[in-house]
Amino acid sequence: DIQMTQSPSSLSASVGDRVTITCRASQSIGSYLNWYQQKPGKAPKLLIYAASSLHSGVPSRFSGSESGTDFTLTISSLQPEDFATYSCQQSYNIPITFGPGTKLDI
Amino acid sequence: QVQLVESGGGVVQFGRSLRLSCVASGFTFSSHAMYWVRQAPGKGLEWVAVIWYDGSNKYYVDSVKGRFTISRDNSKNTMYLQMDSLRAEDTAVYWCARGVVPAAFSFADYWGQGTLVVVTS
Repeated sequence: DIQMTQSPSSLSASVGDRVTITCRASQSIGSYLNWYQQKPGKAPKLLIYAASSLHSGVPSRFSGSESGTDFTLTISSLQPEDFATYSCQQSYNIPITFGPGTKLDI
Repeated sequence: QVQLVESGGGVVQFGRSLRLSCVASGFTFSSHAMYWVRQAPGKGLEWVAVIWYDGSNKYYVDSVKGRFTISRDNSKNTMYLQMDSLRAEDTAVYWCARGVVPAAFSFADYWGQGTLVVVTS
């Protein structure tokens, strides 16, 4: 199975900050890496797919990049509604696996 | 607009069965692979199962193989998850989600609101 790790596990930041979250795959997954945002009690929402493509309706302050098996989610200027948990997911192979999540709070 | 509505969750005893349903609307259901994903209390997301657009292929996470069965009825725009021999570790919120392609592993672009399954002893 492909293991996904994320760092940091939690992060405190302020409105207006630039934030970077990293996800690492245990083996090569190409660009089959997706990012989701989840707020308490709610379903995950797709932010980024294929490592760097912005899902429809997602603000442009969100961006994704990749370098080998390392993937990065960047929020250029945090807004109040961005405080949530962010999870990466590989869709390269079965079993599809998620990272443990990064909780972003104030 | 795309809508996914899960139902069928509840409190069930260890070893018993439950069937979840996911009714889809607002898109051509028969053109998309569909997923079940769950999240245990305080834990991360876990993919459970996927079914191809026509039901021809189904895949499961190892922990549910032989106990859970994913299926779909395209005439009813509905997907199911039959859960047998339930265990305490199956306690979770279960979401159905839409894959973006018919017959490959992919990301999920729309999710339902989730249904809670609690397995008690």
